[in-house]
Amino acid sequence: LAKTTQPISMDSYEGQEVNITCSHNNIATNDYITWYQQFPSQGPRFIIQGYKTKVTNEVASLFIPADRKSSTLSLPRVSLSDTAVYYCLVGDIFYSGAGSYQLTFGKGTKLSVIP
Amino acid sequence: DAGVIQSPRHEVTEMGQEVTLRCKPISGHDYLFWYRQTMMRGLELLIYFNNNVPIDDSGMPEDRFSAKMPNASFSTLKIQPSEPRDSAVYFCASAGGTVNQPQHFGDGTRLSIL
Repeated sequence: LAKTTQPISMDSYEGQEVNITCSHNNIATNDYITWYQQFPSQGPRFIIQGYKTKVTNEVASLFIPADRKSSTLSLPRVSLSDTAVYYCLVGDIFYSGAGSYQLTFGKGTKLSVIP
Repeated sequence: DAGVIQSPRHEVTEMGQEVTLRCKPISGHDYLFWYRQTMMRGLELLIYFNNNVPIDDSGMPEDRFSAKMPNASFSTLKIQPSEPRDSAVYFCASAGGTVNQPQHFGDGTRLSIL
């Protein structure tokens, strides 16, 4: 599994766009990049996943450069409710019935949104 | 969909006692994962199952920990005997069997061993 490196913490004001970058220099060809969000006293929650270029959903965007050695989670116009820990995971595709899985969570990035 | 259901939400017990944590995965998911989270070590995978069969238990810290999945809708994580260093939040997660399906986590069991 590719090791990931993220900033330990970030602060942002409400209404700003927040970009959290994750480095994964040893990413393998089959690895996907997945981001999770965790609030206190809750389990992690899936945000977005991508393989290359850009992925966007109703919550966030994920930018992945051509070399795929890093990725950036972009949260548009954050609010106080976006205060949470954000985890970047990089790992193998898993196959039904066998195979490896995206299993290793790092320490994550603690995002604090300031009013 | 009810999501992944864990019980109990909180458990406080004395050292040496047996502790059993329970998990009901999302119906139709054929992967089930047990994690432990502490401030020092973050989220650690303990064991995961596929179609009720344990696939990788290399994260189980020692023989005091055991996990079972007797059927597709129920799993247990048991600690016997428990020790204060086992105090943590234990999460269960499940995932579907198709490519790259994300994990769905329960709200965890906060375990305190006195």
